[in-house]
Amino acid sequence: GAVVSQHPSWVICKSGTSVKIECRSLDFQATTMFWYRQFPKQSLMLMATSNEGSKATYEQGVEKDKFLINHASLTLSTLTVTSAHPEDSSFYICSASSGTGNTEAFFGQGTRLTVV
Amino acid sequence: KQEVTQIPAALSVPEGENLVLNCSFTDSAIYNLQWFRQDPGKGLTSLLLIQSSQREQTSGRLNASLDKSSGRSTLYIAASQPGDSATYLCAVRNQAGTALIFGKGTTLSVSS
Repeated sequence: GAVVSQHPSWVICKSGTSVKIECRSLDFQATTMFWYRQFPKQSLMLMATSNEGSKATYEQGVEKDKFLINHASLTLSTLTVTSAHPEDSSFYICSASSGTGNTEAFFGQGTRLTVV
Repeated sequence: KQEVTQIPAALSVPEGENLVLNCSFTDSAIYNLQWFRQDPGKGLTSLLLIQSSQREQTSGRLNASLDKSSGRSTLYIAASQPGDSATYLCAVRNQAGTALIFGKGTTLSVSS
């Protein structure tokens, strides 16, 4: 199957700082990438959908100015958590799809963010 | 709005048992359905993908069925092993190119 690499796998940051998470499709071109958040013992909740070269579409209740998403190329999308607060501590995971033919979703390894 | 429910939330079985995990979804007009495995603190491993036109998919000891009209899918695990212990997530895609909608998962524990 296709490989999606997410980095870092875990990060600890201080309140008020920003953290950038990278999501790369290693062996296919990802026209669409999805960002999810998962709180302990909860399911994955979609945060936003990003298409290469255009602005991300955010789900209701997700602050677009706080969670900045950039999908500048067909192999890379980034999520930046700005001015992080302890309540932003969560597991963030990305998913990539080629969007044509292959409809299977491939996921990164996830990033455990802890804001102290 | 599509909602995905998984029952049971947790399941404990002895090694060797066959078991069934259930997934239901409220809107039957799905594009496809995917089963994943998630180990604690880890990402997702895709197990099986069923297109809306398919009834089932098999991979090794795993068999997933889909009854779109009734909004249900089951994941059958044969001869369970301790290594099968994980959380199993069911997710549906409503349309091509859209995001997956996940259930809360079933946490499976297989004891030796």
